[in-house]
Amino acid sequence: GQQLNQSPQSMFIQEGEDVSMNCTSSSIFNTWLWYKQDPGEGPVLLIALYKAGELTSNGRLTAQFGITRKDSFLNISASIPSDVGIYFCAGQGDSNYQLIWGAGTKLIIKP
Amino acid sequence: EAQVTQNPRYLITVTGKKLTVTCSQNMNHEYMSWYRQDPGLGLRQIYYSMNVEVTDKGDVPEGYKVSRKEKRNFPLILESPSPNQTSLYFCASGGDRKKQGANPPDTDTQYFGPGTRLTVL
Repeated sequence: GQQLNQSPQSMFIQEGEDVSMNCTSSSIFNTWLWYKQDPGEGPVLLIALYKAGELTSNGRLTAQFGITRKDSFLNISASIPSDVGIYFCAGQGDSNYQLIWGAGTKLIIKP
Repeated sequence: EAQVTQNPRYLITVTGKKLTVTCSQNMNHEYMSWYRQDPGLGLRQIYYSMNVEVTDKGDVPEGYKVSRKEKRNFPLILESPSPNQTSLYFCASGGDRKKQGANPPDTDTQYFGPGTRLTVL
């Protein structure tokens, strides 16, 4: 099935650094979502975007719905240890109601 | 507390021995789905259900069955498990945010269960 291109695959950062990750698609989407999976748990929705160009924040997290409707990015400012986990992007188009998922970005914070 | 529950959380079994992983949600969601998660592959959808008695194949349905006899339950059945079905499985539900123009149901804001780690020997 179709999958989004999510990058980077993993990130090793120092506590306090800013983080940026993105997703791209060959198809146009109407909805972009960002989920986070903590170790040993299921993914949890962080931010949902429903309009091209939309910029939405959730605390230290900011996500944008690309103008072309084919991409989205997620930024995390001033990372802290609890930001560790896997971040997934997901998109939803017109053809059906199913989400298309990225492969995930694993965030690791160096001690 | 609004939640999706899965049982069992961990299961080790042998090839060919039928098993069922249960999933239940208490949010009155219409949409439910099963995913498997494998390293480097992210989440892949196995089956989904838009409502009671309505189920459809996802991207990787081979070797799995589902049923949706009640709104709250969506069990995943492996009739004859094989080692390539060793994976981490997640159940999810959605449908508590109504969009304008109501494409029923809402499938974007999904709530995930805690996962079931299955090993097939």
